[in-house]
Amino acid sequence: NAGVTQTPKFRVLKTGQSMTLLCAQDMNHEYMYWYRQDPGMGLRLIHYSVGEGTTAKGEVPDGYNVSRLKKQNFLLGLESAAPSQTSVYFCASRKREGGETQYFGPGTRLLVL
Amino acid sequence: SQKIEQNSEALNIQEGKTATLTCNYTNYSPAYLQWYRQDPGRGPVFLLLIRENEKEKRKERLKVTFDTTLKQSLFHITASQPADSATYLCALDMPRSRRALTFGSGTRLQVQP
Repeated sequence: NAGVTQTPKFRVLKTGQSMTLLCAQDMNHEYMYWYRQDPGMGLRLIHYSVGEGTTAKGEVPDGYNVSRLKKQNFLLGLESAAPSQTSVYFCASRKREGGETQYFGPGTRLLVL
Repeated sequence: SQKIEQNSEALNIQEGKTATLTCNYTNYSPAYLQWYRQDPGRGPVFLLLIRENEKEKRKERLKVTFDTTLKQSLFHITASQPADSATYLCALDMPRSRRALTFGSGTRLQVQP
């Protein structure tokens, strides 16, 4: 099993450009999450999903949108990138029942100029 | 609002000693608390989970305690090794949704040979 994978690994954007980060998991997990991590700060939850077709806002949702069209995929979109969105983005997933452990992807490093 | 505090200063110890990391939280009574390890350039990896009705949990050289009165968790690594050098994050289930986590900013541990 590949676990949780993220695409791309690194990306440079100009202010105002848009992009989509892809997260895929092959563990048949119901819950999926998007976090951002900035220097000196912990992981902050952006959005999460508890099932196909459902999403919810986390702590820092502004400027991001998400979609969960398939159970194994969770997409994070930036419609108009800003320098404040320069960060490392992590995706995670977990089972609905019998486990609160989250499994993380390797991260996507995003630089917005 | 919920707040999680971990010692932001790096912890430097000698190989073979016991490392003790602290996680304090306020304004909340979590159902459980988790500890993750994060290596540079990688996603966090789950280590241990302890529930509100548990005082202590052990796994090999790792031990976690949970004091709900003090609102504090201690994370111990006994017989530390240079390979234990990493950043350690504590996380609590979020008040609004028990299905998501709030993370502390992490403590960097450096084990000197």
